[in-house]
Amino acid sequence: NAGVTQTPKFQVLKTGQSMTLQCAQDMNHEYMSWYRQDPGMGLRLIHYSVGAGITDQGEVPNGYNVSRSTTEDFPLRLLSAAPSQTSVYFCASSLGQGAGYEQYFGPGTRLTVT
Amino acid sequence: GENVEQHPSTLSVQEGDSAVIKCTYSDSASNYFPWYKQELGKRPQLIIDIRSNVGEKKDQRIAVTLNKTAKHFSLHITETQPEDSAVYFCAAKTGTASKLTFGTGTRLQVTL
Repeated sequence: NAGVTQTPKFQVLKTGQSMTLQCAQDMNHEYMSWYRQDPGMGLRLIHYSVGAGITDQGEVPNGYNVSRSTTEDFPLRLLSAAPSQTSVYFCASSLGQGAGYEQYFGPGTRLTVT
Repeated sequence: GENVEQHPSTLSVQEGDSAVIKCTYSDSASNYFPWYKQELGKRPQLIIDIRSNVGEKKDQRIAVTLNKTAKHFSLHITETQPEDSAVYFCAAKTGTASKLTFGTGTRLQVTL
C-alpha cells in the first residue's frame, strides 16, 4: 500500500491564483481530513469527511473548499490564494471515527503565496 | 470546542536523561489522546496513544499518563537518545467524532 499520498510536494502561487492540492489513500479509509501547519500553532483542522459525499468544516475553513466523490480522494481547493495561506498542508486518513482509530498523515505540501 | 494546551514549547535534555511533556484539555467528553512525533521535514507519526478509561500506558521507553479529573495528560520519554530529537504533538479527540485537536508542539533536543 502507498498509504496517504499528496501532490504536489511544493507549490508557489501568486495572490489571487487558484489551485487544488491532491490527496489520495489506498487503505479504504472512510475518514479523511486536511490540516495546515504553521510555526508555533500546531496542526489546525481545515475540513474533514466521514465518507464519500459527506464533508464538514473544521477549525479554519475560510478560503478552502473540499469535495469527496470517491472513498480514495479528498482534494483541497484554494479559490483565490492569499499570503495568509502560506503553510504546510497535511492530509490524513483513518479507518473509522471515534477513539482508537489512528490517523495516518500524508507527506505534506509546502505552499507559498506571494 | 476543544482546546489543547501544551508545555513546554522547547525542551533540551542530555542523552540518557528523561523528558516530560505536558498537555491539558478543556472538553471533559474527550476520550482519546494520541501523541505524534514529527521529524524535520517529515509527516507526523503516531508514537503512543491512550484512551480515557486507562490511566497509564507504556511502550518501551515511552509512556503516557492521563488524569481525567485534572484534564491533563503527559508524555514521558526515558533514557533519551539523539534520535528522539523532534517535535512532539499531543492531541485530543472528543466522542465519536474523528476530529483531532492538536497542541502547539514541543521541540525536544537531546544533546550528547
